[in-house]
Amino acid sequence: GAVVSQHPSRVICKSGTSVKIECRSLDFQATTMFWYRQFPKQSLMLMATSNEGSKATYEQGVEKDKFLINHASLTLSTLTVTSAHPEDSSFYICSAEGQGNTEAFFGQGTRLTVV
Amino acid sequence: GQQLNQSPQSMFIQEGEDVSMNCTSSSIFNTWLWYKQDPGEGPVLLIALYKAGELTSNGRLTAQFGITRKDSFLNISASIPSDVGIYFCAGHPCPYSGGGADGLTFGKGTHLIIQP
Repeated sequence: GAVVSQHPSRVICKSGTSVKIECRSLDFQATTMFWYRQFPKQSLMLMATSNEGSKATYEQGVEKDKFLINHASLTLSTLTVTSAHPEDSSFYICSAEGQGNTEAFFGQGTRLTVV
Repeated sequence: GQQLNQSPQSMFIQEGEDVSMNCTSSSIFNTWLWYKQDPGEGPVLLIALYKAGELTSNGRLTAQFGITRKDSFLNISASIPSDVGIYFCAGHPCPYSGGGADGLTFGKGTHLIIQP
């Protein structure tokens, strides 16, 4: 399958700082990338959908000013958690789909801990 | 939004046993995908199903896209310790245009625990 690389895999930051997570499709062009959040032993919750060159579409209840998403190229999307607080601590996962594809390939995930 | 009902929630089995899990939906799905997630990792695609009635195998894994397009099952034969993890069904509900549309809808996962 296609390869999606997510970085960093783990990050610990102080409350009030911002954290950027990168998601790259390594061997295909990702017209759409998705960002999920996952709590322990729970399923993935879609946060936002991002299309290359346009603004992200956020799910209900997700603050767009807090979770900034940029999809500047067909191989890179970034999620920035701004002014992070301990309640933002979670596992964040991106996925990517190519044009006309119905399979989504996931990054390795980023474990964010805000202290 | 759409809901996928995945069962069982967890399974405790002996090594070598066969495993079966399934997902159902109240509405029609365009595709069914089965993923496995290991702790601290992102989900990895196991099997993708595109047509009603489709039966697909991947090694010891077999999955089927229900004829009504509202359900799917995943079977694992002769389980081994590395099969431990969380299995998710996922899909795109109809209508779905591909690339640029909604994200996947996920089931809540089946936790598979294998006792040696």
